[in-house]
Amino acid sequence: KAGVTQTPRYLIKTRGQQVTLSCSPISGHRSVSWYQQTPGQGLQFLFEYFSETQRNKGNFPGRFSGRQFSNSRSEMNVSTLELGDSALYLCASSPEGVGSDTQYFGPGTRLTVL
Amino acid sequence: AQSVTQLDSHVSVSEGTPVLLRCNYSSSYSPSLFWYVQHPNKGLQLLLKYTSAATLVKGINGFEAEFKKSETSFHLTKPSAHMSDAAEYFCVVSDRRSDDMRFGAGTRLTVKP
Repeated sequence: KAGVTQTPRYLIKTRGQQVTLSCSPISGHRSVSWYQQTPGQGLQFLFEYFSETQRNKGNFPGRFSGRQFSNSRSEMNVSTLELGDSALYLCASSPEGVGSDTQYFGPGTRLTVL
Repeated sequence: AQSVTQLDSHVSVSEGTPVLLRCNYSSSYSPSLFWYVQHPNKGLQLLLKYTSAATLVKGINGFEAEFKKSETSFHLTKPSAHMSDAAEYFCVVSDRRSDDMRFGAGTRLTVKP
């Protein structure tokens, strides 16, 4: 089975712009979750989607949003980018969800905001 | 609410010596516990997981961890470190009932030749 893929792998944006990141889960996995990783804050949970519905949400502002399509692929959007949004964004998939299963992580998208 | 504490932010060992990475957790229910490893510029890879079966869990690459409920610990060990083990390690606690997952702050393992 192919692993979790994320595109693009690297992005450079400027403050105020918006960005969309994409995640393709392992075939058959219905849950996709997103995480932000920074040196200062570590790994923080953004949100989880399951069968096209947001099931869990972390403590992030509304500028961070996501969606999931019928084929389980997920996108994450960040609007009005700030310098502090520079991070590695990881997505993970699992058959049933964050609380239940092993999470399989993608390689991440490294976002740099200038 | 759940939480997980990795007691060392950085551990340094010599190649061929044992590795011990410490993790304590707090959970209201019967948790699932995981150890993940992250190599530079890579995503996280599962090393092993505990889900209320055997308390001694064997993982990949010679790692193992022991679940000790009385001590609320889930320490990761390896008898003999290899240079390729140098990476960041994350202890994770999750709970099916609350659908919650928490990551530790990570422990950076350095292996000296």
